[in-house]
Amino acid sequence: EVQLVESGGDLVQPGGSLRLSCAASGFTFSSHWMHWVRQAPGKGLVWVSRISPDGSSSQYADSVKGRFTIFRDNSQNTLYVQMNSLRAEDTAVYYCARGGDAARPDYFEYWGQGILVTVSS
Amino acid sequence: DIVMTQSPDSLAVSLGERATITCKSSQSLLYSSNNKNYLAWYQQKPGQPPKLLIYWASTRESGVPERFSGSGSGTDFTLTFTSLQAEDVAVYYCQQYHSTPITFGQGTRLEIK
Repeated sequence: EVQLVESGGDLVQPGGSLRLSCAASGFTFSSHWMHWVRQAPGKGLVWVSRISPDGSSSQYADSVKGRFTIFRDNSQNTLYVQMNSLRAEDTAVYYCARGGDAARPDYFEYWGQGILVTVSS
Repeated sequence: DIVMTQSPDSLAVSLGERATITCKSSQSLLYSSNNKNYLAWYQQKPGQPPKLLIYWASTRESGVPERFSGSGSGTDFTLTFTSLQAEDVAVYYCQQYHSTPITFGQGTRLEIK
């Protein structure tokens, strides 16, 4: 059974930093692109970032470029996002999602339950 | 960036009736190399993560009821519910995976009339 479990969410002050983790199990983690998608309270889904299976390539939404860094540890089956210079508008539930592999592209069959990040003074 | 626009923003339908949500992309989602449309549909219920319903614009995910169907090509797509059930109350999103940044529609809230 595929499982994605996020952790690390918290209340942080504007300008602060936070690192989220996503522990993956039930599939070959090192074969899949992995993504972060966020959802502000009462709002829609917004893609944040993705990373290649071997970690060598990553892309970001313009809204987080230069502030967020996605990375992964394939030996630990864990995805991360380091979030710096946080702003109030980064307040959201953050989901990790499994993306594609060599055989399929990036639609999201599996999602974590989400973790709340609140940026407020 | 590819902009995804759904309509309507909200929809109220009677139980057992048909419902349709449309999704329009600002660029074609059809890859000529494989003749596939890079469009997915998700259902999200309160307090839950999204659930994949449809990919390749019309392929139903395993376990998704047959009353859900997707259609369309290029820039215009639809998600159709042939007979609305109470458990279908949710917000529905389209998503393009043709290119990064991956983008979602703004969502359509489906309610029972």
